[in-house]
Amino acid sequence: AQSVAQPEDQVNVAEGNPLTVKCTYSVSGNPYLFWYVQYPNRGLQFLLKYITGDNLVKGSYGFEAEFNKSQTSFHLKKPSALVSDSALYFCAVRAFTSGTYKYIFGTGTRLKVLA
Amino acid sequence: GAVVSQHPSRVICKSGTSVKIECRSLDFQATTMFWYRQFPKQSLMLMATSNEGSKATYEQGVEKDKFLINHASLTLSTLTVTSAHPEDSSFYICATEGGGVTDTQYFGPGTRLTVL
Repeated sequence: AQSVAQPEDQVNVAEGNPLTVKCTYSVSGNPYLFWYVQYPNRGLQFLLKYITGDNLVKGSYGFEAEFNKSQTSFHLKKPSALVSDSALYFCAVRAFTSGTYKYIFGTGTRLKVLA
Repeated sequence: GAVVSQHPSRVICKSGTSVKIECRSLDFQATTMFWYRQFPKQSLMLMATSNEGSKATYEQGVEKDKFLINHASLTLSTLTVTSAHPEDSSFYICATEGGGVTDTQYFGPGTRLTVL
């Protein structure tokens, strides 16, 4: 079955420190991978995506993600965390299932950046 | 990215009434729109996919007669929760795909539905 896993419910990091939010996937074929961020009572904001090409993808607000095919991972990273980065982060994969393309979301990781 | 709006942002209704939620694509023509439901502290669950001018495709376990979806134009899709009950209380989020970028979904701000 095609799936996305975010193994950490919550990640705490001190402001100014690097952050990593983990994501692994299981999908047939070449994956289209995405990261979204959700602030309280808001929809999801697109951060970045990997379709093909360079394994290191740069996105909005200084975030980047590295596609690792051998480890089937797509971890989200940022060199220096800000308190304002505190939010809920979702990893998603665009998969072909039941005759159409759909997004499959991970369960989300709450990032807490401590001042 | 694309701009998607939803209206209303928050609605409270009595049990048994129907509620309509609008999703608009403001800056491009969305051939496909998606409706998701998000329970507290949980991930998004795809409810249905709507294509302009045709019937929506519902996910397994989603009642078609309860969650009516209409995608009458390339910029507007509506979700009507019919005969709402407290268990329908949730955060409903729409997303669009289209405008030449067919591999990325852009999400609306969501609608918080509370059924008393």
